[in-house]
Amino acid sequence: KQEVTQIPAALSVPEGENLVLNCSFTDSAIYNLQWFRQDPGKGLTSLLLIQSSQREQTSGRLNASLDKSSGRSTLYIAASQPGDSATYLCAVVTGANNLFFGTGTRLTVIP
Amino acid sequence: NAGVTQTPKFQVLKTGQSMTLQCAQDMNHEYMSWYRQDPGMGLRLIHYSVGAGITDQGEVPNGYNVSRSTTEDFPLRLLSAAPSQTSVYFCASGRGLGELFFGEGSRLTVL
Repeated sequence: KQEVTQIPAALSVPEGENLVLNCSFTDSAIYNLQWFRQDPGKGLTSLLLIQSSQREQTSGRLNASLDKSSGRSTLYIAASQPGDSATYLCAVVTGANNLFFGTGTRLTVIP
Repeated sequence: NAGVTQTPKFQVLKTGQSMTLQCAQDMNHEYMSWYRQDPGMGLRLIHYSVGAGITDQGEVPNGYNVSRSTTEDFPLRLLSAAPSQTSVYFCASGRGLGELFFGEGSRLTVL
């Protein structure tokens, strides 16, 4: 069974700092990997989708990398802002577009 | 521009009662799914559908029924609610193995 782990569980950084969130998965037979953002009491917002054949994807200040053979992905956030404070979820896609989620990293950016 | 719409947003049930969580999407996505989110456990897949008339079980299907009579709608039924079904429920839709879009969630409490 696929298991997804996110480290750290919580992270506090001062505004302006660059940071890295980590995600690991046990079964490398994935179709793609998706990073989401979740604000308290809200739904999930898709940030980046990396297909299994890709190594990285970029959107604005966000960059996600994927190393499928080692079962790892990282989400890099440049020049963090207080508005980036949220929980970040990593999920891998197996057959039929079913997602296996990690438990998330709760990020707090301190002004 | 509705996307994925879930109703109700909040519901309180007594043990043994039945109810249906509604999910509708207006993006003509063939794939739809239901997840539940519990503290410390991440999101887990309940049921999913790859098209009208086709449904299948996910990781935690017990106590839940689904049907998919149209492309747009994918309701989740609780036949006899139990306190263990207290959770936040999310509906998602997508096309093929691409990006998934989530609703805002339905918070269910079973007393």
